[in-house]
Amino acid sequence: AQSVTQLDSHVSVSEGTPVLLRCNYSSSYSPSLFWYVQHPNKGLQLLLKYTSAATLVKGINGFEAEFKKSETSFHLTKPSAHMSDAAEYFCVVSDEGATNKLIFGTGTLLAVQP
Amino acid sequence: GAGVSQSPSNKVTEKGKDVELRCDPISGHTALYWYRQSLGQGLEFLIYFQGNSAPDKSGLPSDRFSAERTGGSVSTLTIQRTQQEDSAVYLCASSLVISGPYNEQFFGPGTRLTVL
Repeated sequence: AQSVTQLDSHVSVSEGTPVLLRCNYSSSYSPSLFWYVQHPNKGLQLLLKYTSAATLVKGINGFEAEFKKSETSFHLTKPSAHMSDAAEYFCVVSDEGATNKLIFGTGTLLAVQP
Repeated sequence: GAGVSQSPSNKVTEKGKDVELRCDPISGHTALYWYRQSLGQGLEFLIYFQGNSAPDKSGLPSDRFSAERTGGSVSTLTIQRTQQEDSAVYLCASSLVISGPYNEQFFGPGTRLTVL
């Protein structure tokens, strides 16, 4: 069965410094992987997705993620954090069945200090 | 265009009462999903509708939970005899279903259910 593990429940960075949110996946096939962001009292928004094309995926707001099969990782990065990046981030894998239901990680809460 | 909408945004109920949560998907989206976000369980899949096919109910936690999708559009999630552990944010998502590895799911703002 597919699963994702987010290695950090909380990450705190200073504004202008790099962001790294870690995610490892488990899947018996080539997975579809995603990062979603949830701002306080807002809905979930897709940041980026990997669907077996390029291994380096660029998303919105300057975020990107790299699919590394050898490490079963899909870490999310951003070169320079902005205050507006403070939110909860979810690493997600799509179920291999016909429904495409999403299987979520436990989330990483990103705090950005001024 | 309009996104996925859900109502009510907040619902407070007493233990043992029934509740209905509504989801209006994006027009033209044939796939509809319900998820639940709770402190103890994180984000978890509940049920999936696709067109006129039988729904995938594999994520429903108990027989107190049911859902309908009328006319291939609006969906209602019903929880009977609510329990305190049902307190959570219930999220609805919809997507087109087209060929390819993945069809993006668009999420509504959620309904926050509190069972007293």
